[in-house]
Amino acid sequence: QKEVEQDPGPLSVPEGAIVSLNCTYSNSAFQYFMWYRQYSRKGPELLMYTYSSGNKEDGRFTAQVDKSSKYISLFIRDSQPSDSATYLCAMSKTQGGSEKLVFGKGMKLTVNP
Amino acid sequence: EPEVTQTPSHQVTQMGQEVILRCVPISNHLYFYWYRQILGQKVEFLVSFYNNEISEKSEIFDDQFSVERPDGSNFTLKIRSTKLEDSAMYFCASNYNEQFFGPGTRLTVL
Repeated sequence: QKEVEQDPGPLSVPEGAIVSLNCTYSNSAFQYFMWYRQYSRKGPELLMYTYSSGNKEDGRFTAQVDKSSKYISLFIRDSQPSDSATYLCAMSKTQGGSEKLVFGKGMKLTVNP
Repeated sequence: EPEVTQTPSHQVTQMGQEVILRCVPISNHLYFYWYRQILGQKVEFLVSFYNNEISEKSEIFDDQFSVERPDGSNFTLKIRSTKLEDSAMYFCASNYNEQFFGPGTRLTVL
């Protein structure tokens, strides 16, 4: 079983739709969970991070972590064409320090006007 | 807003040649990383670096790879003898609490 799994899509939605992006993982040692957005041929840009289980909201974005199911989600409300990008989940055992991030493959999202 | 910068944005080289990819991390960050992303695949960890030493390296980071912080601002990745399969995007990242990534260098090995 892969350490982090993410459906690569692609996913295409109309403007204004609610988008749900998900990742599963196998390593129960992961404690920190991040979502990055990556535009074509650019570096990953940090959107949100959460620690352990629970929800975190930032504007139109909500991140959820369910450690019991080893499942994380990112919801985008009122999606906009500018949200069109690849969304990568990433996770680590600790925050900061020299801890590496383990990434999912990324889900390509297109929001159509 | 401070950001990680990388040069060059695109490097084309012949197989067997040495390349050096350069990065300027965010100035108050202490931990530095290199990741790579082969086209259509995951972002993969290569190496982390702290206090002028490698903290961790992946199985990809073999003897052909080396990292260096030659001065107070730059962080470099050297590939001694490039192979076709080294063609990828290479991302530098730096960390205080969260990792921030540079825009990447696209390496093409012919």
